Amino acid sequence: KQEVTQIPAALSVPEGENLVLNCSFTDSAIYNLQWFRQDPGKGLTSLLLIQSSQREQTSGRLNASLDKSSGRSTLYIAASQPGDSATYLCAVRRAGGTSYGKLTFGQGTILTVHP
Amino acid sequence: DTAVSQTPKYLVTQMGNDKSIKCEQNLGHDTMYWYKQDSKKFLKIMFSYNNKELIINETVPNRFSPKSPDKAHLNLHINSLELGDSAVYFCASSQGYGSEQYFGPGTRLTVT
Repeated sequence: KQEVTQIPAALSVPEGENLVLNCSFTDSAIYNLQWFRQDPGKGLTSLLLIQSSQREQTSGRLNASLDKSSGRSTLYIAASQPGDSATYLCAVRRAGGTSYGKLTFGQGTILTVHP
Repeated sequence: DTAVSQTPKYLVTQMGNDKSIKCEQNLGHDTMYWYKQDSKKFLKIMFSYNNKELIINETVPNRFSPKSPDKAHLNLHINSLELGDSAVYFCASSQGYGSEQYFGPGTRLTVT
């Protein structure tokens, strides 16, 4: 059974800092991994999708890396801003089997960036 | 231009009632999902439909019945609501199983 863990559970940083959010998963047989952000009372916004064959993906100030063999992904946020404050969720998608396509989520990292 | 929409946004009801949540996507996707986010903010998949066919059915009580009238809609009907059903329910869609999933804004269900 796939388990996804995110560390830290919460993070508070001053504006401008570069930061790293960590995600680990127990079953390396994944199809891809997706990072989301969730604002309070809102739905999820997809940030980055990394295929299992890829090592990293970049979008603006965000960079996500994937080490499938060790079951780890990191989300790097450069020059953080107060608008980055949200909960960041990591989710892995199973490869094959009867539940192909199923996303398993971590519990998230609550990020607060203060001015 | 809402990609994935859900109605209602909030739903307050009493135990024992039957209620439905509707979901529509205008992205042309062929796969839709229902997720439940509990009070601890943990998101877990409930169902997945591909081209109106049920693909994933996690261990969800029979009181929950998804219905997909067409590829753009996936509704969730809940019978005999219980206190433990209180949660935020998210609908999502993707093109195929492995593609990026897009989420709706959620429906906060409160059972009293």
